Order: sequence, then C-alpha cells, then structure tokens
Amino acid sequence: SYELTQPPSVSVSPGQTARITCSGEALPKKYAYWYQKKSGQAPLVVIYEDKKRPSGIPERFSGSGSGTTATLTISEAQVEDEADYYCYSTDSSGDHEVFGGGTKLTVL
Amino acid sequence: QLHLQESGPGLVKPSETLSLTCNVSGGSITNFTFYWGWIRQPPGKGLEWIGTIYYTGTTYYNPSLQSRATASLGTAKNQFSLTLTSVTAADTAMYHCASFDTGLMVYDTWGPGIMVTVSS
Repeated sequence: SYELTQPPSVSVSPGQTARITCSGEALPKKYAYWYQKKSGQAPLVVIYEDKKRPSGIPERFSGSGSGTTATLTISEAQVEDEADYYCYSTDSSGDHEVFGGGTKLTVL
Repeated sequence: QLHLQESGPGLVKPSETLSLTCNVSGGSITNFTFYWGWIRQPPGKGLEWIGTIYYTGTTYYNPSLQSRATASLGTAKNQFSLTLTSVTAADTAMYHCASFDTGLMVYDTWGPGIMVTVSS
C-alpha cells in the first residue's frame, strides 16, 4: 500500500529554521497537507494544498513541494512549535488516504 | 461549529468485534460539505487512517484494514459508526472520529478520542 516517508525527528534551536520532509510517489500529482499534533490535543492543520496556510496559523509555517518530496518549513522556530508533525495525502487514485509516519520536532 | 464525540468500549477481547460511534452535533452528517473519517493512533506510534464515509454512504478504507473495517451512517441519530472485526493486540489504539471539510480537503474537527485496548 501507499506510504509517505518522514524523518523520525528534527531538532533545532529556538530562532532557527526547521525543515521536515515527506516523500511519496504520488506527491507530484497529489497535494500534501501538514498536521501538527501536540500531546493530548487533536491534530491541527498548519498547511494545506502543499503551501496554503489556514487562517490563524503563524506566517512562520510554510510549505513547498518538488517532485516526490513535500517540505514543511518553520522559520524562526519557537519552543511552542515542539510537536509531532504528520504529512497527509492520498494515493494516485485519490481513494486511499495516508498519513506519514510523523516527525518529532524538538526546539531546544 | 461542529462537535464530535466518540463512544464505545474501552476494552475488547482478542478475536471479537470493536464497535465505535461518533456523535455529531452542530451540523448534519448529511451535509454534502463534509465527509466523516476514522483515524487511530497506537501508543507510541503515528496516526493511521482507517476509513472515510461520504454523506452518500460511499466508503473508502485503508487497504490494510479493508477486510475488517466497516463504516456506516446513522442519520436518524446524526452519528456515524465504525466496526472492526477480529481484533488483535495490534488494534490497541486511541481512536478518533473527524470531519473532513471538502472545501479545504482537511480533517478540521476531531473528537477527543477513545482509548481502546484489546486484551483478554
């Protein structure tokens, strides 16, 4: 079945730029979405349709894509950005949804 | 604003069937602007999509769970449900129901989740 591959962890210091990648064969044709999940809270969309930011999400969150890789970039990362981040998309048919394995972002 | 709440057993025996219900308030499950999904997270692991049901009743499932999962709509009670047959310890997880906004194409409202443990 279709998979999205993310690095297990990313670590940055406060104020640095964090980049989290997501690789999947269908990403050239299907949008990537990014969810932020903090312990005990429901997932929150931070990027949709590759690079769009929902209202209320800080401008430091941005998304991009190139070929089979989507990237979530958090500029000037803050301690409050520590969370697990999941990319989400569908397979090439669009019928089956998938979450990436998740990336634990540490801002320390 | 939508509010979702999962209900069901917290403990299920191996080989038995897990049945969960998601009660929806603040909107109708027949609203064509939403799909309804089930997502789970095993302890210490990542999110896993289980399946989605459209307002038409059309369903799509994770291929790895397709043979065991069934989603359905309960329009009279404004709820939707999930059954998962032949459960094993690998099905132990926090189960979430969520609404899928067909405009933004995102799960924008989630239930708080229900922890289900499979154990004898």
